[in-house]
Amino acid sequence: EVQLEESGGGLVKPGDSLRLSCAGSGFSFNTYGLNWVRQAPGKGLEWVASISSSSSFVYYGAPVMGRFAVSRDNANNILYLQMSDLRTDDTATYFCARDGPNVSSGWRHWGRGTLVAVSS
Amino acid sequence: EIVLTQSPGTLSLSPGERATLSCRASQNIDDDLVAWFQQTAGQPPMLLIYAASRRATGIPDRFSGSGSGTDFTLTISKLEPEDFAVYYCQQYGGSSRTFGQGTKVEVK
Repeated sequence: EVQLEESGGGLVKPGDSLRLSCAGSGFSFNTYGLNWVRQAPGKGLEWVASISSSSSFVYYGAPVMGRFAVSRDNANNILYLQMSDLRTDDTATYFCARDGPNVSSGWRHWGRGTLVAVSS
Repeated sequence: EIVLTQSPGTLSLSPGERATLSCRASQNIDDDLVAWFQQTAGQPPMLLIYAASRRATGIPDRFSGSGSGTDFTLTISKLEPEDFAVYYCQQYGGSSRTFGQGTKVEVK
């Protein structure tokens, strides 16, 4: 069974840094692209970042470009999101999601999310 | 960046009725790489439709997707009680992946 589990969320102050992790299991981790999506309280889904299976390609949404960095450790089946210079509007639940087996397949598998709260 | 605009914002319907949700893109979406997700409170999104019209594994056939280019539609043929939720479209072609703002389907 495919499982994704996020961790690392918490309460931080504006300007702080935080690293989120997403542990994958039940699939060949190193053959799938992975993604981060966030959802502010009571709001919609917002794409944050994507990384290809071998880390050759990384993409970011405009609100986080230059502040967030996505990476992965295929040896240990972990996806990371390093967040810097956090702002109050980065407050959200952060989900990781796995690409499908081919480019058109969509994101069927998601974690349950980890909450990041940025407040002074 | 491609902007997706969903309409209506809220759809008030009764169980058994047909729901039609729209998603319009600011530019053409290559290969019609549009997905639809359902989300209920406190849960991660659930993939319903991918590649504009293909149902994901285990999704009932009352859910169908259609469209191409810039205009896409999710149809729920006969609403069941568990279908009252928020629905998001997403485009995932190219280097940018964006979501629409969501349509809430509520009980009338």
